[in-house]
Amino acid sequence: KAGVTQTPRYLIKTRGQQVTLSCSPISGHRSVSWYQQTPGQGLQFLFEYFSETQRNKGNFPGRFSGRQFSNSRSEMNVSTLELGDSALYLCASSLDRGRGQPQHFGDGTRLSIL
Amino acid sequence: DAKTTQPPSMDCAEGRAANLPCNHSTISGNEYVYWYRQIHSQGPQYIIHGLKNNETNEMASLIITEDRKSSTLILPHATLRDTAVYYCIVRVEVRGNTPLVFGKGTRLSVIA
Repeated sequence: KAGVTQTPRYLIKTRGQQVTLSCSPISGHRSVSWYQQTPGQGLQFLFEYFSETQRNKGNFPGRFSGRQFSNSRSEMNVSTLELGDSALYLCASSLDRGRGQPQHFGDGTRLSIL
Repeated sequence: DAKTTQPPSMDCAEGRAANLPCNHSTISGNEYVYWYRQIHSQGPQYIIHGLKNNETNEMASLIITEDRKSSTLILPHATLRDTAVYYCIVRVEVRGNTPLVFGKGTRLSVIA
């Protein structure tokens, strides 16, 4: 069974640009969460989508947004990129929103802002 | 979510059992204990989770004390590929999918 797939694996952008990252969850998984990992802040929750609706949101500015499609695939977008947005962006999927459902992570997209 | 305390680093000889402790003294009744690990340049990998009973799967065993204030992750026969940062996470389980809150974890080094 294929795992969580994130594309692209690496991305270089400049300040002020915008970027879209993609995540394909494990087949049959309907919940998708996004996390940001930086050396200073560690792993931090961005948002969660289920049934094409945002269900949870972390403490990030509105420049960070996402969406989920009917096939459960998800994208996240960051607008007006800042140097501090350089990070590893991780997507995790789980079967549904029930109790005791572990989240399974992809290997992330490493975003570098110049 | 309850906070967890883990040692920052541990060493283990290859082939021996690795016992990684986690303290979660403020855990409440509806909180599960989850373990993940992250190998360099990869995403976190789910290992195991439990509520109050001990759990075992093909990767590891999870031992939770009777008062649920601490737990131990056991890798029965550590290999070099088990070198990673291990995260113990306490996660409230209510209706819905609560986010995982990662701390700094324990850096396990398996030594040949």
